[in-house]
Amino acid sequence: QKEVEQNSGPLSVPEGAIASLNCTYSDRGSQSFFWYRQYSGKSPELIMSIYSNGDKEDGRFTAQLNKASQYVSLLIRDSQPSDSATYLCAVNVNNNDMRFGAGTRLTVKP
Amino acid sequence: DAGITQSPRYKITETGRQVTLMCHQTWSHSYMFWYRQDLGHGLRLIYYSAAADITDKGEVPDGYVVSRSKTENFPLTLESATRSQTSVYFCASSDSTGGNTEAFFGQGTRLTVV
Repeated sequence: QKEVEQNSGPLSVPEGAIASLNCTYSDRGSQSFFWYRQYSGKSPELIMSIYSNGDKEDGRFTAQLNKASQYVSLLIRDSQPSDSATYLCAVNVNNNDMRFGAGTRLTVKP
Repeated sequence: DAGITQSPRYKITETGRQVTLMCHQTWSHSYMFWYRQDLGHGLRLIYYSAAADITDKGEVPDGYVVSRSKTENFPLTLESATRSQTSVYFCASSDSTGGNTEAFFGQGTRLTVV
């Protein structure tokens, strides 16, 4: 089992819809969780971090964390074509040993 | 320039050759990382460093060597390059205790081993 798993995608949603991205992790001791966005040919950039159970909202983005279920998700409301990218879930599994999922490619169609 | 920079951006090398990828950051971040990114695998951690002269193995360290004599530099060396090491390599840094801060990534180095 991989330490961090994401739904494989690709995911396609129409403009204005909600995009839902999911991630599960195997290490129950993990405390820090991150969502990165990566445009094609570019480096990853952080869009959300979450450390406590529940929801964390930042503009059109909401991260949700459930440590009991070892599950973290990212919701993108009012999706825009500029949101089309690969989204990477990252989990800090051992202090600063950060592990990434394989990524989910999102396409937002105008 | 401020930030984290990698060099070279592109590199083609032959099987068996030694090659070094450079990473330099100007923030004085304590932590630095090397990842490789391959289709279907996402980012996989090769090595990381918590401070100068302290390095640790990640998921896929075999065939790679790192050093960190200065806080700002974290070079990655492929001692004898193999075709399976063809990949995009990302260096990252973070100023963190306990892992609660984001990692900032360099632009990446696309390495092709022929």
